[in-house]
Amino acid sequence: DAEITQSPRHKITETGRQVTLACHQTWNHNNMFWYRQDLGHGLRLIHYSYGVQDTNKGEVSDGYSVSRSNTEDLPLTLESAASSQTSVYFCASRGAGDTGELFFGEGSRLTVL
Amino acid sequence: AQSVTQLGSHVSVSEGALVLLRCNYSSSVPPYLFWYVQYPNQGLQLLLKYTTGATLVKGINGFEAEFKKSETSFHLTKPSAHMSDAAEYFCAARASGGYNKLIFGAGTRLAVHP
Repeated sequence: DAEITQSPRHKITETGRQVTLACHQTWNHNNMFWYRQDLGHGLRLIHYSYGVQDTNKGEVSDGYSVSRSNTEDLPLTLESAASSQTSVYFCASRGAGDTGELFFGEGSRLTVL
Repeated sequence: AQSVTQLGSHVSVSEGALVLLRCNYSSSVPPYLFWYVQYPNQGLQLLLKYTTGATLVKGINGFEAEFKKSETSFHLTKPSAHMSDAAEYFCAARASGGYNKLIFGAGTRLAVHP
């Protein structure tokens, strides 16, 4: 079965370190998204991509970057982790078609000390 | 700008009671509307969606939602709550057009007690 997987599921790091969260989907979806989930804020969009070599900033993109070198993967990088980036991160993908829903990974819980 | 408001961050019901989770959206045009559910330590999964056509939409696990354009609402209901319904529920909206993004509400945590 097609799926979307995130790794690592849990990560503890220190302030200032670079961290990369992986996202891999096997649906061959062009559209991929990264969200962060924080209490009281729901899900907020960090970055998104509509295809290979395409990346776009979401509403909370400061301190994050993504790259899209193939259809399956959209890694999220925190260049210099800050305590404010402690959160749960979700990757999602969406297929073609205007009404398609998002399919989510199981999340990556990041703690920045 | 489009926004989604969920009334009540926490809702508590008794097992067997009606579940009503409220969602209102702001949009100049009728959007596509979604309800997602998140169980502890899991990602979000789709409960139901409204795109076009019938305004009463049925989803999984006995949930349904009704799109009311005049009230800009998309409330989620279930006639009889089950303990397994305890989870966090998110309403989301997206304007038509393939390049428009999904906007989420802040979520409502549903507790079901015996």
